Amino acid sequence: GIQVEQSPPDLILQEGANSTLRCNFSDSVNNLQWFHQNPWGQLINLFYIPSGTKQNGRLSATTVATERYSLLYISSSQTTDSGVYFCAVAETSGSRLTFGEGTQLTVNP
Amino acid sequence: ETGVTQSPTHLIKTRGQQVTLRCSSQSGHNTVSWYQQALGQGPQFIFQYYREEENGRGNFPPRFSGLQFPNYSSELNVNALELDDSALYLCASSLFKGWNGYTFGSGTRLTVV
Repeated sequence: GIQVEQSPPDLILQEGANSTLRCNFSDSVNNLQWFHQNPWGQLINLFYIPSGTKQNGRLSATTVATERYSLLYISSSQTTDSGVYFCAVAETSGSRLTFGEGTQLTVNP
Repeated sequence: ETGVTQSPTHLIKTRGQQVTLRCSSQSGHNTVSWYQQALGQGPQFIFQYYREEENGRGNFPPRFSGLQFPNYSSELNVNALELDDSALYLCASSLFKGWNGYTFGSGTRLTVV
């Protein structure tokens, strides 16, 4: 099956800093989503981005499908950005989401 | 527009018992998927239902079973609970098998003792 690798596994920032999270995947996809998992466990959908670039406030994402990677940018980070960020993909031939292991982000005041 | 709702939020069961978890899909969504998330790991796909039919299954034993109802809500049933079944169970809904992405509920945290 498809493999999803996220980096870095852990990231510690000071409030106000910028960061880039990366997601590499091993095969063609027809769905790629970035999620933020809050401390209570809920997965919050940040972006549905199988290709191209999107922005939502301080967050933006870019997926280069031909090179099989996606990037999530967080600018001017806040303590509320802390949590685990997951990249998840669905293969062209199927519909199940395969998740990476996540990036644990900690933003200190 | 209501989101995905799951019940109960927390549950403690004894090894060998059976459990049923429930999920109401987001309004307008006809596809429901279930995922298991062990502590410190990414969610793992259990199975998906589309218009009341199973549409794909992950690497889980037959004691994990499910249903989807005509209103597109869904149940996950787990028989003969084992300690390793302790996890966060997440439900996700979407239009047509994931088209335009999935919306997740808050999950049910199951502890097996």
